[in-house]
Amino acid sequence: EADIYQTPRYLVIGTGKKITLECSQTMGHDKMYWYQQDPGMELHLIHYSYGVNSTEKGDLSSESTVSRIRTEHFPLTLESARPSHTSQYLCASSEWGEGSYNEQFFGPGTRLTVL
Amino acid sequence: KNQVEQSPQSLIILEGKNCTLQCNYTVSPFSNLRWYKQDTGRGPVSLTIMTFSENTKSNGRYTATLDADTKQSSLHITASQLSDSASYICVVAGSNYQLIWGAGTKLIIKP
Repeated sequence: EADIYQTPRYLVIGTGKKITLECSQTMGHDKMYWYQQDPGMELHLIHYSYGVNSTEKGDLSSESTVSRIRTEHFPLTLESARPSHTSQYLCASSEWGEGSYNEQFFGPGTRLTVL
Repeated sequence: KNQVEQSPQSLIILEGKNCTLQCNYTVSPFSNLRWYKQDTGRGPVSLTIMTFSENTKSNGRYTATLDADTKQSSLHITASQLSDSASYICVVAGSNYQLIWGAGTKLIIKP
């Protein structure tokens, strides 16, 4: 079944730890995205990728980094987590190109809490 | 500045009633407008996508309208159900498919 997966769903860690949030999709999509969303607030794009070996920064500056070694996999890494990184992180994917709405399909999200 | 503003911020209605959510935007150039439903703690799910030439689109009990002249859109929910409780987000795609996200309307359906 075509879907987009995120793990873990919830993560509570201490300050200074390195973390990686996983995102995988079986949609066959080229483009993938990472968003950050605080409670009751709008989504902010922090990273996106057009395909393998392509990564771009989004509208919101973020200390996180991403990689795209495989089409279906787009992990996000924080080298040293801080309380200000506490938020919900949403991964999405879409087709890319002319004639497409580039409709984004979202994973269930990872809620990160840094103590 | 490209912006998407939604109203009301939150809304409480009784099960079975209808409601209408509003979205005003200042995004230019305009490519398309989307409505998403986001359940608490989950990712958004697309309800409708409308281009410049479409002024109404339905998805079951959800009907979206678009007035490109006044840069306004609405989402009408008919015969609300408890499962409609969620945030409804208006998103406008501008140039190069850059998405401008609204903050959403939080809808609570009471039995």
